[in-house]
Amino acid sequence: DVKVTQSSRYLVKRTGEKVFLECVQDMDHENMFWYRQDPGLGLRLIYFSYDVKMKEKGDIPEGYSVSREKKERFSLILESASTNQTSMYLCASSPGLAGLVGELFFGEGSRLTVL
Amino acid sequence: GENVEQHPSTLSVQEGDSAVIKCTYSDSASNYFPWYKQELGKRPQLIIDIRSNVGEKKDQRIAVTLNKTAKHFSLHITETQPEDSAVYFCAADNFGNEKLTFGTGTRLTIIP
Repeated sequence: DVKVTQSSRYLVKRTGEKVFLECVQDMDHENMFWYRQDPGLGLRLIYFSYDVKMKEKGDIPEGYSVSREKKERFSLILESASTNQTSMYLCASSPGLAGLVGELFFGEGSRLTVL
Repeated sequence: GENVEQHPSTLSVQEGDSAVIKCTYSDSASNYFPWYKQELGKRPQLIIDIRSNVGEKKDQRIAVTLNKTAKHFSLHITETQPEDSAVYFCAADNFGNEKLTFGTGTRLTIIP
């Protein structure tokens, strides 16, 4: 079974704090993603990575950055948290088979509250 | 980029009846259309997907249909059961790459 593990299920931070959300996958997947889930808005892509040290912006990258130093780990960074970043954050990975879009395997999610 | 619209946002169905959720997409180059199910408090999980070279795909009680000309695809659940209650998301790829664009979700409630 593919396992995608997000380090924190619940976080409460203050405005202006730097926040790290960590994600680890154990299936040697090439691709990793960070999505944000808000009621009525579905899942929106923040950033994705198709290789170590590679990253691409998704649909809502403003206010976020990412880091992928190792294949299994993909971190989402909020440099200066704001209240509008209060949300559920979902990490996902996919195999990255050449030329074929495939199944996303999601983590359990990290619910972030910014006060 | 791709834009995916999903309807309805909520759907209540009597147990045993069928449920249909519809999605439209904007990018004619999209080729991959998955459906994810998210139970309360759980992670989204893939339940069925379809690629553009196929018009319909079935897996037991669930089926997906694709109309590339009209740029819409639908999820059909027959003989609904209480465990089908969840939020369902459709998605489409972007220019054939790994970046999926999701719909806004449909909360399906099965009434016993």
